[in-house]
Amino acid sequence: DAKTTQPPSMDCAEGRAANLPCNHSTISGNEYVYWYRQIHSQGPQYIIHGLKNNETNEMASLIITEDRKSSTLILPHATLRDTAVYYCIVMSSNDYKLSFGAGTTVTVRA
Amino acid sequence: NAGVTQTPKFQVLKTGQSMTLQCAQDMNHEYMSWYRQDPGMGLRLIHYSVGAGITDQGEVPNGYNVSRSTTEDFPLRLLSAAPSQTSVYFCASSYSPGEAEKLFFGSGTQLSVL
Repeated sequence: DAKTTQPPSMDCAEGRAANLPCNHSTISGNEYVYWYRQIHSQGPQYIIHGLKNNETNEMASLIITEDRKSSTLILPHATLRDTAVYYCIVMSSNDYKLSFGAGTTVTVRA
Repeated sequence: NAGVTQTPKFQVLKTGQSMTLQCAQDMNHEYMSWYRQDPGMGLRLIHYSVGAGITDQGEVPNGYNVSRSTTEDFPLRLLSAAPSQTSVYFCASSYSPGEAEKLFFGSGTQLSVL
């Protein structure tokens, strides 16, 4: 699996957009970019994933650069409930070993 | 539909004791896995299974055993507990391997080994 690099922490003001970067410079052509988050000590929760096109769902948007070496998760209007650890992961569809790095701790402040 | 159920939620063991962490899912998922999460760190894969009778090792398998005799259950056994195994353990499942977007996690088991 390609390795990912994320900043250890970031703050965001409530109601503003939160932009979470992720570098995955060794990503392979068949590997997807996944984002999960973990609130408190709960089990991780899926947010969004993509291969090369930008993706949007009810939770977030995912912007992947054209060379696929980095991506950005966008939480459009952060709320206090978005305070969590966010994990960026790359894996292929035939890979069964989903591994989580240290992630980015996002703190949304009122 | 209970999802992924882990028991117990909390457990304290003495060094050298053995125990089994239980994980059950009622979604007819083929893929199941176990992770551990140490304080301030991400989740590391211990073992996984792609169906009944099939298991394989993840990143940190030493000191743990698994078996998958039914689709529903995937217990994790600690053979001889050590303080280094103090951690929070998560079980996860999905309908088929590789469907990471459909991975469901249990609520975790907090284990302390004294």
